[in-house]
Amino acid sequence: DAKTTQPPSMDCAEGRAANLPCNHSTISGNEYVYWYRQIHSQGPQYIIHGLKNNETNEMASLIITEDRKSSTLILPHATLRDTAVYYCIVSGQNFVFGPGTRLSVLP
Amino acid sequence: GAGVSQSPSNKVTEKGKDVELRCDPISGHTALYWYRQSLGQGLEFLIYFQGNSAPDKSGLPSDRFSAERTGGSVSTLTIQRTQQEDSAVYLCASSSSRKATGELFFGEGSRLTVL
Repeated sequence: DAKTTQPPSMDCAEGRAANLPCNHSTISGNEYVYWYRQIHSQGPQYIIHGLKNNETNEMASLIITEDRKSSTLILPHATLRDTAVYYCIVSGQNFVFGPGTRLSVLP
Repeated sequence: GAGVSQSPSNKVTEKGKDVELRCDPISGHTALYWYRQSLGQGLEFLIYFQGNSAPDKSGLPSDRFSAERTGGSVSTLTIQRTQQEDSAVYLCASSSSRKATGELFFGEGSRLTVL
């Protein structure tokens, strides 16, 4: 499985866009990029995934660079309830989760 | 219910005892994963089942840990001779994808405390 690198923590002001980066420079051509988040004491929740093209759903947008070596998850208007640990994963056989980014949305 | 169900939600045991944790995946999901999460840490992969294929056990930390999946549905994670360092939340997830590219649906976890 390709490994990912994320900053350990980030802050974002409520109502502003939260941009969470992820590096996955060893990604293979058929591997997808997935994002999950885990709110305190709950199981992780799927957010979005993509292969090459940018993706958007009701929760977030995913921007993948043309060389696919990095991506950014965008929460367009962060709320206090978006405070969580965000995991970037490159799909493989066993969905290995790294330590993620702890996002704190501040009032 | 429609989600992944895990039991027990909480388990307190004494060091040296065996424990069994159960996961009931979403009906029809062929892939099932077990993870462990110690306090303040990220998710640690333990084992992955996909249909009738041999499971990927590469994440099991020791031979005290084992898991079964009967009939392609319910899974049981067994920890023998529990140690204090086994204390953690054990999370189960399932997916409908046959290629490990699908969305994972997680249960709420089983919190294990070894005294």
